[in-house]
Amino acid sequence: KQEVTQIPAALSVPEGENLVLNCSFTDSAIYNLQWFRQDPGKGLTSLLLIQSSQREQTSGRLNASLDKSSGRSTLYIAASQPGDSATYLCAVSKYPYSSASKIIFGSGTRLSIRP
Amino acid sequence: DAGVIQSPRHEVTEMGQEVTLRCKPISGHNSLFWYRQTMMRGLELLIYFNNNVPIDDSGMPEDRFSAKMPNASFSTLKIQPSEPRDSAVYFCASSDRTDTQYFGPGTRLTVL
Repeated sequence: KQEVTQIPAALSVPEGENLVLNCSFTDSAIYNLQWFRQDPGKGLTSLLLIQSSQREQTSGRLNASLDKSSGRSTLYIAASQPGDSATYLCAVSKYPYSSASKIIFGSGTRLSIRP
Repeated sequence: DAGVIQSPRHEVTEMGQEVTLRCKPISGHNSLFWYRQTMMRGLELLIYFNNNVPIDDSGMPEDRFSAKMPNASFSTLKIQPSEPRDSAVYFCASSDRTDTQYFGPGTRLTVL
């Protein structure tokens, strides 16, 4: 049974720092991994999606890496800003959503950027 | 595009009542997902549809929960009868063939 773990549960850093959020999964047979952001009282916003054949994806100040063999993914945030404060969740899926698949979410890391 | 639309945004009901949550996915998306989020259990996938057909409903907690997708632009999640432990935020999400999921704003359900 796939389990997704995100450590730490909460992180507070001063503005301007580069930081890394971690995600680990127990079953390396995944089709893709996705990073989301959730602001308080809001839905999730997709940040980056990495297919199993890819090693990393970049969008602006965000870079996500994937190491399937070790069951790990990291989300790197460069030059953090107070607006980056949110909960970040990772999710893995074994098959494409168009097939029989079950997406499993981690419990998230609550990030706070101090001005 | 307006994004995924969910209604109502908030619902307060009494135990035993029927609750119906509604979702309009993004036009052109072929997959639709219903999730439940609680502090205790985090985000859980309840059911998902592909091309209006339910593919996996193994996450539906019990027979009190049912979901339908009569056409590509509308889905419902029904709870009958509702119980206090059903209190949660229910999200609907849709995705296209790229597998990127787009979430709605959620419905906050409180069952008294």
